[in-house]
Amino acid sequence: AQSVTQLDSHVSVSEGTPVLLRCNYSSSYSPSLFWYVQHPNKGLQLLLKYTSAATLVKGINGFEAEFKKSETSFHLTKPSAHMSDAAEYFCVVSVRAVGSGNTGKLIFGQGTTLQVKP
Amino acid sequence: DSGVTQTPKHLITATGQRVTLRCSPRSGDLSVYWYQQSLDQGLQFLIQYYNGEERAKGNILERFSAQQFPDLHSELNLSSLELGDSALYFCASSVLSGGQRGETQYFGPGTRLLVL
Repeated sequence: AQSVTQLDSHVSVSEGTPVLLRCNYSSSYSPSLFWYVQHPNKGLQLLLKYTSAATLVKGINGFEAEFKKSETSFHLTKPSAHMSDAAEYFCVVSVRAVGSGNTGKLIFGQGTTLQVKP
Repeated sequence: DSGVTQTPKHLITATGQRVTLRCSPRSGDLSVYWYQQSLDQGLQFLIQYYNGEERAKGNILERFSAQQFPDLHSELNLSSLELGDSALYFCASSVLSGGQRGETQYFGPGTRLLVL
């Protein structure tokens, strides 16, 4: 079975400093992994996704994530935080059923709340 | 704006009642997904429809049902509502069946349901 674990429920950084949001995954197959962001009272927006091409994935708003199979990790980073980055971030894996390809089912981590201090 | 629309934005109702949540997918998308976000359970997949047919099912309660209509919009019906059903319900859509590797799901703004 596939699963994701977000290692921090809350991360606080100062504006202009680097951001690191950690995610570990569990999957018997090569997974499809995503990071989504949810701003207060808004829907979920895709930041980036990994689909077994390049292991370093670049997303929107300066975010990127690196797929590390040996560490089963898919951490999200950004070199310099901006106040507008304050939001909740979800690491997500796409479910793959035995004997078939990926399904439409997404499994979400518990989320990491990013606080950006001025 | 993702292109996925959901109505209503907010819904307040009483225990035992029935409500219907509506979702219109992005133009051209064939799949619709429903998710529930609550404080204790987080974000959970409920059900997926692809081109009018049920495609995948998650931890959806028997009191809940969904359908996708010929124009591809979808409705999620919640009946015999309980206090614990209070949550944010998201709809998402994707181009195909969800089986393509890395197929992106685009999320609507959600319907916030409060059961009193």
